[in-house]
Amino acid sequence: GAGVSQSPRYKVAKRGQDVALRCDPISGHVSLFWYQQALGQGPEFLTYFQNEAQLDKSGLPSDRFFAERPEGSVSTLKIQRTQQEDSAVYLCASSPQLGEQFFGPGTRLTVL
Amino acid sequence: SQELEQSPQSLIVQEGKNLTINCTSSKTLYGLYWYKQKYGEGLIFLMMLQKGGEEKSHEKITAKLDEKKQQSSLHITASQPSHAGIYLCGAGLEYGNKLVFGAGTILRVKS
Repeated sequence: GAGVSQSPRYKVAKRGQDVALRCDPISGHVSLFWYQQALGQGPEFLTYFQNEAQLDKSGLPSDRFFAERPEGSVSTLKIQRTQQEDSAVYLCASSPQLGEQFFGPGTRLTVL
Repeated sequence: SQELEQSPQSLIVQEGKNLTINCTSSKTLYGLYWYKQKYGEGLIFLMMLQKGGEEKSHEKITAKLDEKKQQSSLHITASQPSHAGIYLCGAGLEYGNKLVFGAGTILRVKS
């Protein structure tokens, strides 16, 4: 497909479990972003990659959150020791360099 | 984000009516983006505005960025059920690519 894809679409985790969320950006897009969207709110910035370099991680809420993009393409957002407040939709977006960001369908994480 | 205020929070309109959604920032906007989101789905790009006074239209949706680049409006003419969803404004509030978003406006269109 030509768009941004994310997997899994839905994830249920028990409190304390580690989770890994995957993002496949549009081929050739340099920039990749992760956002967190709580119910009834707009997305909030987590982190930003330009190719494989993580240029901004100011939005990561705690050191339990870790993101990587080792080859400048696919990215993984990992959350360790999940807590109930981590329940949200995690959105990935990619863009060519500057300008419009293309969003994936999101991963809905529920922590019990 | 509290940096971007959207109004109204929700809106119910009769099919065929016009409507306007506003997005206001206390800071200068470096690019203003309008997205639409359906429940459980990602964001669909609608329009991007960068220059003060800029106005763009696509089908029945028009977006404007005011001269001072601190407010934008999204106007839908002759609304249809297909326009229903959540409209989000996103903006670069500092140079770079990071976007901050408003809380969204939920639009329902009654047939």
